[in-house]
Amino acid sequence: EAGVTQFPSHSVIEKGQTVTLRCDPISGHDNLYWYRRVMGKEIKFLLHFVKESKQDESGMPNNRFLAERTGGTYSTLKVQPAELEDSGVYFCASSRQGEGTDTQYFGPGTRLTVL
Amino acid sequence: AQSVTQLGSHVSVSEGALVLLRCNYSSSVPPYLFWYVQYPNQGLQLLLKYTTGATLVKGINGFEAEFKKSETSFHLTKPSAHMSDAAEYFCAVSAGGGNKLTFGTGTQLKVEL
Repeated sequence: EAGVTQFPSHSVIEKGQTVTLRCDPISGHDNLYWYRRVMGKEIKFLLHFVKESKQDESGMPNNRFLAERTGGTYSTLKVQPAELEDSGVYFCASSRQGEGTDTQYFGPGTRLTVL
Repeated sequence: AQSVTQLGSHVSVSEGALVLLRCNYSSSVPPYLFWYVQYPNQGLQLLLKYTTGATLVKGINGFEAEFKKSETSFHLTKPSAHMSDAAEYFCAVSAGGGNKLTFGTGTQLKVEL
């Protein structure tokens, strides 16, 4: 079974540009989560999809961030326009519905650097 | 609301020595508790979890943790450290399955010869 994959692994952009991060969850996992770790800080929750619906987006920092999960498969997280404070590592995680839903499997992360 | 406190951002042990990484949590509901490990240039890997039932849980690579409700703790231990255990360890809490994880700030474990 393939794990959670994220693309790209690294992205370096200038302030004001747009970046789109992609996450492919484990096949069959209806729950998809985005988290972010800013350097030196804790990993923080951004949002949670159940299939294509946003279940909880309480962690999204502002309206420059847009997450989508069309068709309930892969998800994208767009940052537009990027600011310096958006730099960090963005993690995606997925889990099953029902039994096993408590275990989130994480991808390797996308390291975003905004210059 | 939930929160996690990990005492010690950096812990150093000798190879063969006991590993003890501390985690205290706060939760308004019965917590689900997790330890994840991140090796260099890799994603987070689940070490072990407590949901319900037995309070002493065993995980991969010889790690275990004990849920102590009275102390609101979930400390991670391993009897004998190995060089390959060098990594960053994260404690996390959730309100149950299908809920977000709230993480501590992480503990970097260094294992010395």
